[in-house]
Amino acid sequence: GEDVEQSLFLSVREGDSSVINCTYTDSSSTYLYWYKQEPGAGLQLLTYIFSNMDMKQDQRLTVLLNKKDKHLSLRIADTQTGDSAIYFCAESPDNFNKFYFGSGTKLNVKP
Amino acid sequence: DAGVIQSPRHEVTEMGQEVTLRCKPISGHDYLFWYRQTMMRGLELLIYFNNNVPIDDSGMPEDRFSAKMPNASFSTLKIQPSEPRDSAVYFCASSSQWTSGGLVKNIQYFGAGTRLSVL
Repeated sequence: GEDVEQSLFLSVREGDSSVINCTYTDSSSTYLYWYKQEPGAGLQLLTYIFSNMDMKQDQRLTVLLNKKDKHLSLRIADTQTGDSAIYFCAESPDNFNKFYFGSGTKLNVKP
Repeated sequence: DAGVIQSPRHEVTEMGQEVTLRCKPISGHDYLFWYRQTMMRGLELLIYFNNNVPIDDSGMPEDRFSAKMPNASFSTLKIQPSEPRDSAVYFCASSSQWTSGGLVKNIQYFGAGTRLSVL
């Protein structure tokens, strides 16, 4: 079955860039997503990328996709304390409906 | 739109009691998903519906769990009888597919979750 892997923790200083990595197994994945979960809240969609793209930029967020290596990354520029949260990577294979989520990366931003 | 609405936000019950979690999806969405989140197992898909019909319930842990979607605007997840190991945060999500630029797109929107504690 599909397997999405993420490192569990990342700690950065305020103002630095954060890079959260994700690997996935299903080469047929059409869309790949990044969700953010703040304490006590549900998952909020941050951004997504279609599989025929290599990069997508949205303000402070940059998503890079290496389809050959099945590697996805999320870069947050000028990380702020408000970015502290758990970040989930997810893939959506051909049927589009089921999402497969990674275990989440807990980002800690130190002032 | 108010987003996906779940109730209650918190539920504390005793082992053996019946628990019912509720979800109102975003209007117009034709897919509804129930997830469970725990520290040990992360985010697990329990079941999902399309047009009120259960499509895949392979993630439902056991017969104590059941889910229904009587209409397009309401779904329930029931646990009977509840056990301490059912303690988790339960999320409902909804989505709809659409086509843009020749591409089929699908985004899941999550509710705030129900935190269940079974004592």
